[in-house]
Amino acid sequence: NAGVTQTPKFQVLKTGQSMTLQCAQDMNHEYMSWYRQDPGMGLRLIHYSVGAGITDQGEVPNGYNVSRSTTEDFPLRLLSAAPSQTSVYFCASSYSRANAGYPTDTQYFGPGTRLTVL
Amino acid sequence: GQNIDQPTEMTATEGAIVQINCTYQTSGFNGLFWYQQHAGEAPTFLSYNVLDGLEEKGRFSSFLSRSKGYSYLLLKELQMKDSASYLCAVRSSGGSYIPTFGRGTSLIVHP
Repeated sequence: NAGVTQTPKFQVLKTGQSMTLQCAQDMNHEYMSWYRQDPGMGLRLIHYSVGAGITDQGEVPNGYNVSRSTTEDFPLRLLSAAPSQTSVYFCASSYSRANAGYPTDTQYFGPGTRLTVL
Repeated sequence: GQNIDQPTEMTATEGAIVQINCTYQTSGFNGLFWYQQHAGEAPTFLSYNVLDGLEEKGRFSSFLSRSKGYSYLLLKELQMKDSASYLCAVRSSGGSYIPTFGRGTSLIVHP
């Protein structure tokens, strides 16, 4: 299994540009989520999905959109990039509550995308 | 909502023992996770506690007291490679079932 994959690894954008960060998992996990990580701020939840066709907002959703058309993929869209969105973005996946069971209900993280907005 | 507190930074000596504390406030506690994150890398799972007590896994142990809203991660026989950030994350039974993370503790291990 490849686990959780993210592309691109690095990206530089100009203010106002849009782009999509890709995330895919091959573990048949129902739950997927996007976090951003900034120095001193820990991991903050942007959006999450509990299954194909179902998404919801996390702690810091403004400026981002998501969709979940398949179980495997969960792309994150930046609509109009701003310097405040400069961050490291992590995608994660896990089993759902119904299928969770210690120790398998942990989250698995992708390698991250390092985004700079100029 | 949830409130999770852990120290920002700790230092320790190679071969020693270090304890990293995490306190939390949440409604409907449903599990606490510890993750390790090396600089420039993704977090990786270390331990999970949902019942009170100590979970031991090699050099790492994690303790939970639900009544006190308190957990700690104990690292024994410290090695230089243990220099990393340690993230405490709490899951609640209501809402998304997605854990909320603390700000992490940066551990520096000196020779």
